[in-house]
Amino acid sequence: EADIYQTPRYLVIGTGKKITLECSQTMGHDKMYWYQQDPGMELHLIHYSYGVNSTEKGDLSSESTVSRIRTEHFPLTLESARPSHTSQYLCASSDTDGEGNTIYFGEGSWLTVV
Amino acid sequence: QKEVEQDPGPLSVPEGAIVSLNCTYSNSAFQYFMWYRQYSRKGPELLMYTYSSGNKEDGRFTAQVDKSSKYISLFIRDSQPSDSATYLCAMKYGDSNYQLIWGAGTKLIIKP
Repeated sequence: EADIYQTPRYLVIGTGKKITLECSQTMGHDKMYWYQQDPGMELHLIHYSYGVNSTEKGDLSSESTVSRIRTEHFPLTLESARPSHTSQYLCASSDTDGEGNTIYFGEGSWLTVV
Repeated sequence: QKEVEQDPGPLSVPEGAIVSLNCTYSNSAFQYFMWYRQYSRKGPELLMYTYSSGNKEDGRFTAQVDKSSKYISLFIRDSQPSDSATYLCAMKYGDSNYQLIWGAGTKLIIKP
């Protein structure tokens, strides 16, 4: 079982509010990822990190930002939430790159912006 | 056109049936192929991983890759109600996981 934790699991928030989705992993993985997943749609990578102080944007443009100050922690922040941000956000981590490496996912954070 | 296509289902079969789940893709450079299972309101978990072409078996699950047809399959034998979930295929051409391209998932329902 993956040791990667996301909070909150469910959040309903008003337009314009600032939110931070927390993600922590206890596996010591260097690589961490944030995906966005809408119902019945593909996972889209919005941010990834290869280590402390390393962050990159993914293939899906996102108004969110991330930080990686500690290996185990990779929070995602929306400065001003909009209804278009309503989605499921999945945090993940992996050890090394290569053939058989596995991405471990958290249980997801369901965000609704009203 | 999407790089990876997957029938969204839902696919509903009786318990004990053999299930076939499929993905097609357009990028011939893909070399690494994965199947993930996602239960409702949970994150995906890796089921099977295959490099290049061929078959791989793990218990009741068999993953098959046909690179010449750009087609991958996941077979589930003796399906159980606990197999009811959404099955996602994912693939990449290089080593890095940030390169993964995902299918939209097929929802599978196993009826007792």
